[in-house]
Amino acid sequence: DTEVTQTPKHLVMGMTNKKSLKCEQHMGHRAMYWYKQKAKKPPELMFVYSYEKLSINESVPSRFSPECPNSSLLNLHLHALQPEDSALYLCASSQQRPDNSPLHFGNGTRLTVT
Amino acid sequence: TQLLEQSPQFLSIQEGENLTVYCNSSSVFSSLQWYRQEPGEGPVLLVTVVTGGEVKKLKRLTFQFGDARKDSSLHITAAQPGDTGLYLCAGAFGNEKLTFGTGTRLTIIP
Repeated sequence: DTEVTQTPKHLVMGMTNKKSLKCEQHMGHRAMYWYKQKAKKPPELMFVYSYEKLSINESVPSRFSPECPNSSLLNLHLHALQPEDSALYLCASSQQRPDNSPLHFGNGTRLTVT
Repeated sequence: TQLLEQSPQFLSIQEGENLTVYCNSSSVFSSLQWYRQEPGEGPVLLVTVVTGGEVKKLKRLTFQFGDARKDSSLHITAAQPGDTGLYLCAGAFGNEKLTFGTGTRLTIIP
């Protein structure tokens, strides 16, 4: 079992919907990440939080809005998405930044935008 | 943006055969990680290499970091169906964010 828990596992939403993806870790890690992975491609970094503050935004469209309520939780709020946003969304954590310690991934949320 | 090229992109071999996957960059890594991702799951860390020329073994998997720290290889001996998955190298350049390689999709045929 992964130590990073993501919910839901699957999500289907229309282009006018608002939904949220959730991620939780209890390893005491102080860096948390959102990645987007399209089929048969490597993960692409979206956002990095370090000590609950947004430290990297990889020019992600504003229809994706991250939130880090505390050191254990990471959310990704979705609004007015496009069909091309359909992908596997992976959350990860690491001990801290910037030390490039290994990433611990959740099993992802499979998102389909209709 | 740093680029990590993996080769081959796809590999399908019979159970029991040996294989090598490569990860190359034109820049020097401060450290390099290898991950394996199985269908429906997130990537799982296999190893981290830090020192040029370093060799690490994990059962039938042997990881090597190039002397100049610009490349790495993963060798699997006597491949088994359980080795099937997407293999990803990920390089750190100084204290910049981790950059994932292009990936190698491995299929082991029983």
